[in-house]
Amino acid sequence: GQNIDQPTEMTATEGAIVQINCTYQTSGFNGLFWYQQHAGEAPTFLSYNVLDGLEEKGRFSSFLSRSKGYSYLLLKELQMKDSASYLCAGRSSNDYKLSFGAGTTVTVRA
Amino acid sequence: KAGVTQTPRYLIKTRGQQVTLSCSPISGHRSVSWYQQTPGQGLQFLFEYFSETQRNKGNFPGRFSGRQFSNSRSEMNVSTLELGDSALYLCASSTNTGELFFGEGSRLTVL
Repeated sequence: GQNIDQPTEMTATEGAIVQINCTYQTSGFNGLFWYQQHAGEAPTFLSYNVLDGLEEKGRFSSFLSRSKGYSYLLLKELQMKDSASYLCAGRSSNDYKLSFGAGTTVTVRA
Repeated sequence: KAGVTQTPRYLIKTRGQQVTLSCSPISGHRSVSWYQQTPGQGLQFLFEYFSETQRNKGNFPGRFSGRQFSNSRSEMNVSTLELGDSALYLCASSTNTGELFFGEGSRLTVL
């Protein structure tokens, strides 16, 4: 697997910005995914990075540095509905399996 | 376009029993993966099927098995259930790019 590491919990205020960091092992790496999972619901796809740099999608952006084995998900202009678990997943180049981190629970407060 | 459908959504079993979970992927998706999700452990990969063949397997005991049918529908089976098997079991179908589309999951409680 990719040995994905991400923080367990983060709390932020409505309207603020939060950055969720994710580190992974660099050998045999073939892409980094971010998923959002609301309590009691299925994970939904947010972003996919395979090249270095920043991918922006509205209020959400994802960054990847392959040399550092590092990614982050940036959530801007936080809304209450952004309270959820955010899952980082690395794909192996050997077998294309996704290895997920344990998830970061983000709580947005008014 | 219908999403990934999993049945049953909830079930309760006792230790020693077996269970079969079903997953219907998005039409046209030939790859189906299964994951176990427990609090604190995150998503643990069980196995992946593609065109009726198991393509990848995670580190779970042989009590966990699966199969895929010609219409891409998949089933997973857990035999001799243990208390620790209580979890949310998620099925995902995927495109060629590897993006996973998850079902709502089957929540299994073992008493």
